[in-house]
Amino acid sequence: EIVLTQSPHTLSLSPGERATLSCRASQSVSSNYLAWYQQKPGQAPRLLIYDASSRATGIPDRFSGSGSGTDFTLTIARLEPEDFAVFYCQQYGSSPLTFGGGTTVEIK
Amino acid sequence: QVHLEQSGAEVKRPGSSVKVSCKASGGSFRSEAIHWLRQAPGQGLEWMGGIIPMFGTTNFAQSFQGRVTITADESTSTAFMELGSLRSDDTAMYYCARVPIPLAIRAYFDIWGRGTLVTVSS
Repeated sequence: EIVLTQSPHTLSLSPGERATLSCRASQSVSSNYLAWYQQKPGQAPRLLIYDASSRATGIPDRFSGSGSGTDFTLTIARLEPEDFAVFYCQQYGSSPLTFGGGTTVEIK
Repeated sequence: QVHLEQSGAEVKRPGSSVKVSCKASGGSFRSEAIHWLRQAPGQGLEWMGGIIPMFGTTNFAQSFQGRVTITADESTSTAFMELGSLRSDDTAMYYCARVPIPLAIRAYFDIWGRGTLVTVSS
């Protein structure tokens, strides 16, 4: 089973700042099959990024994904007020599908 | 526009089972896998398993093997997840979610249901 470790656990930033979230895998993720989701309180997760760097439909270009192998990054170029939430990474290169523990991006 | 409508909240006794439904509209139900995931209160996401309705092909997380059944009814575009031998730590929000790649059992999830809260309590 691939274990995904997200860091930091919490990121305290102000609107307009850049957010950099990390997701590290315990072994290489096949074909860089890694996705990122955003979840706000009381809502289902929303897909942001798939295949490590492809933006999902309707996702603003301030969200970008990068990385390969075992190290992946989600960058939010300039935080908007609606971006503050919990973010999860997920690998789908091998079974079982696994998620990271999440990073909370909170308003400073 | 694809939409997944889940059944309502459930309260169950320990040792019983629960069956949650997920009705799809607007997509290609037969060929697009539907998966089930859960999230305990204040916790992260946990994948349970999924099904490709066209073939009945399933893929489960080992931790739920033998306790979860995932089925699909093509005539009503509805997927079902039944979890048995319920324990208090099965209390969670249960989500269904769609894989947008035809005939792929394993991928990312682009459309999610709103969730079904299952509470297990004596």
